[in-house]
Amino acid sequence: KAGVTQTPRYLIKTRGQQVTLSCSPISGHRSVSWYQQTPGQGLQFLFEYFSETQRNKGNFPGRFSGRQFSNSRSEMNVSTLELGDSALYLCASSISGGNTEAFFGQGTRLTVV
Amino acid sequence: QKEVEQNSGPLSVPEGAIASLNCTYSDRGSQSFFWYRQYSGKSPELIMSIYSNGDKEDGRFTAQLNKASQYVSLLIRDSQPSDSATYLCAAPILTGGGNKLTFGTGTQLKVEL
Repeated sequence: KAGVTQTPRYLIKTRGQQVTLSCSPISGHRSVSWYQQTPGQGLQFLFEYFSETQRNKGNFPGRFSGRQFSNSRSEMNVSTLELGDSALYLCASSISGGNTEAFFGQGTRLTVV
Repeated sequence: QKEVEQNSGPLSVPEGAIASLNCTYSDRGSQSFFWYRQYSGKSPELIMSIYSNGDKEDGRFTAQLNKASQYVSLLIRDSQPSDSATYLCAAPILTGGGNKLTFGTGTQLKVEL
């Protein structure tokens, strides 16, 4: 059974640009959550999508957005990139979110210069 | 109070000893709890799930849950150098949109030869 796939693995972008990250969940999983991980802040929750609807949102500015498609694949977009957006972005898929086990992809390492 | 709280460490134990990792959570309604292991530069890997009060054993790992005290722990017996990693505790925290899987900042474990 294939795991969670995130693309791309690495990205280097310039301040002010925008970026789109992709996440393909485990087959049969309908919930996808996104996290930002930085050395000082740990894993910070960005948002969760379930059946194409955003169900939960963390405390991030509106520059961070996402969506989920009918096949449960999800994308995350960051507009007007700032240096502080440099981080490891992780997505986790689970059967239904909430109390169910979540499995992470390998992550996308974003560097903003 | 943080929603999920862990000591950041580092926790150093000699090879062959028992490592004890602790976690507290704020939402009394949380029903499931998870331990993840994260090696440097890698994504978190789910190693234990626990849903009921008491102990759950899986190989060298034992998770312990005390819902009355809002406390969950992970014991690693016969610690090996390969266990050196950051261990993340996670619990679903109820929000307006449902349960949000929330992580502690992680405890860094070092197993010394």
